[in-house]
Amino acid sequence: DGGITQSPKYLFRKEGQNVTLSCEQNLNHDAMYWYRQDPGQGLRLIYYSQIVNDFQKGDIAEGYSVSREKKESFPLTVTSAQKNPTAFYLCASTDSGTGGFGYTFGSGTRLTVV
Amino acid sequence: GNSVTQMEGPVTLSEEAFLTINCTYTATGYPSLFWYVQYPGEGLQLLLKATKADDKGSNKGFEATYRKETTSFHLEKGSVQVSDSAVYFCALIWGTSYGKLTFGQGTILTVHP
Repeated sequence: DGGITQSPKYLFRKEGQNVTLSCEQNLNHDAMYWYRQDPGQGLRLIYYSQIVNDFQKGDIAEGYSVSREKKESFPLTVTSAQKNPTAFYLCASTDSGTGGFGYTFGSGTRLTVV
Repeated sequence: GNSVTQMEGPVTLSEEAFLTINCTYTATGYPSLFWYVQYPGEGLQLLLKATKADDKGSNKGFEATYRKETTSFHLEKGSVQVSDSAVYFCALIWGTSYGKLTFGQGTILTVHP
């Protein structure tokens, strides 16, 4: 079955470390997105990519980086510059031009700073 | 810019009670509106949608009507079940936003037997 796979499900980071969250989709979707979820704040867009080798900053990109070398993969790196990285991270994908109707979300990665 | 405001939660109901979760939006033009549901430990699933004024989205007993005059998209269900316990998000997409969803803050719903 097609879908989005996020790994790992739980991730622990020490202060000053970079960590990379994986997001893979086999839906042949063009666009991919990373959202951050905090209690009481909904989901906020970190980065998005419409096509391979191209991506744009979302509303809260500071302290994060991404790459889009393959259509099916959109990894997110949380760098040491992100001062408050503890959150739930959701990856999503959609066909470009569907107006959001074709959004598919992964099951998320919970990142905790220890 | 675009924004979505949901009613404060959490909402706690008894089984078979009537549910309303309020959602209002601010957007230029005519956005498409969505309700997503998130069950514990999972990602988001699309619950229902509406693309133009007066459209009614419906799914699994939930309904929401796109009200342009009040810029609202309130979620309703006539009789909730314990299995409806989840977090509900109102969201919008507008124009050439390249598919970027703008979300409300989410409302936690707990239904007791």
